[in-house]
Amino acid sequence: ETGVTQSPTHLIKTRGQQVTLRCSSQSGHNTVSWYQQALGQGPQFIFQYYREEENGRGNFPPRFSGLQFPNYSSELNVNALELDDSALYLCASSLAGTSVYNEQFFGPGTRLTVL
Amino acid sequence: AQSVAQPEDQVNVAEGNPLTVKCTYSVSGNPYLFWYVQYPNRGLQFLLKYITGDNLVKGSYGFEAEFNKSQTSFHLKKPSALVSDSALYFCAVRARGDDKIIFGKGTRLHILP
Repeated sequence: ETGVTQSPTHLIKTRGQQVTLRCSSQSGHNTVSWYQQALGQGPQFIFQYYREEENGRGNFPPRFSGLQFPNYSSELNVNALELDDSALYLCASSLAGTSVYNEQFFGPGTRLTVL
Repeated sequence: AQSVAQPEDQVNVAEGNPLTVKCTYSVSGNPYLFWYVQYPNRGLQFLLKYITGDNLVKGSYGFEAEFNKSQTSFHLKKPSALVSDSALYFCAVRARGDDKIIFGKGTRLHILP
């Protein structure tokens, strides 16, 4: 186990609703990255948070937003849910600023189903 | 733009035989390269990484991968496959100075008893 936890494990929402997913990073890590893994696809980078600010974003619309808290845990918020938002959402934590390479450790994911 | 290609959707190997899962990448500069494995209803588990140095990288569960800069490849290998190796395998790349990881579409590995 990586020490990265995510909640909830599974979630079912209807189109148009809003959802919040949560991630607790590994102890001592200050950076959280979020990925979306649609069925049959590889994970796609949504965005990354470092020191409570967004630090890089993939090709996702503004209705995907996030937060990082002083304890480095993070939330992913998705507004106006669409059917295509159904996916496994993965978060990964890392420790930035201590070396050139910062390994990312993944949580187990939250499975979101939009009906 | 960074990209990763896994040309095989599925690879079937008999138990005990060697296995290879192919991966090629495109990234500017020298990359960081990774292999992850995913079991049903689970997150990603790290297998191995190439950062620098020896082109042959050894990882978890007897897996290894060879970095080939001229062919921009990073194929995953194992000398003797186990049924328990059956899973979904992802190759990934990260450009130096960039924190996002770009994943391939994945290759499903079936080890036949």
